[in-house]
Amino acid sequence: SQELEQSPQSLIVQEGKNLTINCTSSKTLYGLYWYKQKYGEGLIFLMMLQKGGEEKSHEKITAKLDEKKQQSSLHITASQPSHAGIYLCGAVLSGAGSYQLTFGKGTKLSVIP
Amino acid sequence: ETGVTQSPTHLIKTRGQQVTLRCSSQSGHNTVSWYQQALGQGPQFIFQYYREEENGRGNFPPRFSGLQFPNYSSELNVNALELDDSALYLCASSLEGLGPPEQFFGPGTRLTVL
Repeated sequence: SQELEQSPQSLIVQEGKNLTINCTSSKTLYGLYWYKQKYGEGLIFLMMLQKGGEEKSHEKITAKLDEKKQQSSLHITASQPSHAGIYLCGAVLSGAGSYQLTFGKGTKLSVIP
Repeated sequence: ETGVTQSPTHLIKTRGQQVTLRCSSQSGHNTVSWYQQALGQGPQFIFQYYREEENGRGNFPPRFSGLQFPNYSSELNVNALELDDSALYLCASSLEGLGPPEQFFGPGTRLTVL
């Protein structure tokens, strides 16, 4: 099974609606990263969380890391077509060396105008 | 501030050939990590270079090798290419310090092996 599970796998929302993407780990998270990827392109850094209970926001995107540091959520408020893409969570997991990132499979977001 | 750059953008090779991919890290960053992303999957860690030394390796065979240069740029070399090596290759740069650093990715190199 995957060390990092993302849900849902895909999401289609109407423009203006809110949405949440979840990332759950089987191990303690020492660093949790959210990235956005357009098909076939590089990863765009959104934000990084380290401390249990930490919450960060950038424009209409908010990410939280739960107190036990095994789950994170990404929330988009009032979605826009520009939010469409693949959202990837990556994490430095307990036992990992060199701060290497383990990634989930991604959540494909489509926003219908 | 210069972001992470990679070259070439696309590459087509045949089975058995060798390939070299290049990455220039973001200015001020001293660590480069390489990832392989197959279609529909998340990136998989290949290895990381810090101060010109390999500083961690994922579950990839020895025919995947790398280098880091004094200016912190890096190369990924793959020998004896196989069809399954077809993927998007991403490099990420970061500044090694206390705790997990922010990691910024380049645009990737799309490798197709025929």
